[in-house]
Amino acid sequence: TQLLEQSPQFLSIQEGENLTVYCNSSSVFSSLQWYRQEPGEGPVLLVTVVTGGEVKKLKRLTFQFGDARKDSSLHITAAQPGDTGLYLCAGANGEGSNYKLTFGKGTLLTVNP
Amino acid sequence: NAGVMQNPRHLVRRRGQEARLRCSPMKGHSHVYWYRQLPEEGLKFMVYLQKENIIDESGMPKERFSAEFPKEGPSILRIQQVVRGDSAAYFCASSSLPGVNTEAFFGQGTRLTVV
Repeated sequence: TQLLEQSPQFLSIQEGENLTVYCNSSSVFSSLQWYRQEPGEGPVLLVTVVTGGEVKKLKRLTFQFGDARKDSSLHITAAQPGDTGLYLCAGANGEGSNYKLTFGKGTLLTVNP
Repeated sequence: NAGVMQNPRHLVRRRGQEARLRCSPMKGHSHVYWYRQLPEEGLKFMVYLQKENIIDESGMPKERFSAEFPKEGPSILRIQQVVRGDSAAYFCASSSLPGVNTEAFFGQGTRLTVV
């Protein structure tokens, strides 16, 4: 069974601070996705990373896929209250079932004004 | 361009009743996935369907749970004789192609409460 561990589980910071959240596994994934989920809503895809060592930027968000494709990180610069939400990572194993995502439990981020 | 529509948003059922959850995929999408999110847990894959076909139901309990995606109409996740442990948020996602390099869009979910 593939598992994704996300840390920290909870994070509360002030507006303007920087933060990094992590997604780790002992398994190799063919690709990894990051989602943001707000209360009462479904997850919304932020990014997909595919290549080991890949770095993608989305405005103030920087996503990195580990060289061995077992881990990933999300760094947010100058966090804003609108960044508040549950950040989920999800991996696909790509072995004939790359539609099947394994999700972590998420990091609940609160950005205080 | 409507997104993935799930209904009802909230569903309350007594133990032993049946729950029917509906999912209308985005226009043009023929691939549907159901996930369950239990309290304090991550989303867990349940089933992957294409029109009139179940492709992978490896994540769905063998008993009481069934899913369909008919030629016409929404995909249905059916839970018979619900128990308290079935209380969870059930999310449907759809995509135009299978695989994670094609974005799957999630609906807002159905929150099932079994009393």
